[in-house]
Amino acid sequence: GIQVEQSPPDLILQEGANSTLRCNFSDSVNNLQWFHQNPWGQLINLFYIPSGTKQNGRLSATTVATERYSLLYISSSQTTDSGVYFCAVGGTGANNLFFGTGTRLTVIP
Amino acid sequence: ETGVTQSPTHLIKTRGQQVTLRCSSQSGHNTVSWYQQALGQGPQFIFQYYREEENGRGNFPPRFSGLQFPNYSSELNVNALELDDSALYLCASSSNRGRGYTFGSGTRLTVV
Repeated sequence: GIQVEQSPPDLILQEGANSTLRCNFSDSVNNLQWFHQNPWGQLINLFYIPSGTKQNGRLSATTVATERYSLLYISSSQTTDSGVYFCAVGGTGANNLFFGTGTRLTVIP
Repeated sequence: ETGVTQSPTHLIKTRGQQVTLRCSSQSGHNTVSWYQQALGQGPQFIFQYYREEENGRGNFPPRFSGLQFPNYSSELNVNALELDDSALYLCASSSNRGRGYTFGSGTRLTVV
């Protein structure tokens, strides 16, 4: 399967700070999603971004498929941004997602 | 549109028992996938169902089985439960339009 590495594993921010989360993957992908897992376990889809750049409010993401990485930017962080952020990828012809081990973000007031 | 719903939310079972978890897919989605997430780990793919047939399987033993119904809802069955089966089980649905997967809130299974 495709190997997915996320960094950093843990991140502590002061409310209002900006951050960048990184996802490296080992093979070509036709699906890449960023998820936020809330304390109750639900995976909230943030972006479907196999390539290019997208923005949604304070969050934006960029995937450079040819270089096999994706970045998630969080600006002006809020305490509600706390949780675990997962990057997940799907390969060409694959019918499943491979997940990284996540970045645990803690935003302190 | 309705999202992915899973039931029950929590479950406690005894080692050796059998369990059935249920999932209703998002409106317009015809494919359902199941994932297991152990504590502190990322989700691991169990299997996927499309048109009521298994359409791919991860590295899980045969005691993990599933069904998909004509309305695209799905069940995950686990026989002969082991302590290591304790995990959050996530269901995800998708369509063939390539817009990614939508996950439910999960069922947290504890095997004692």
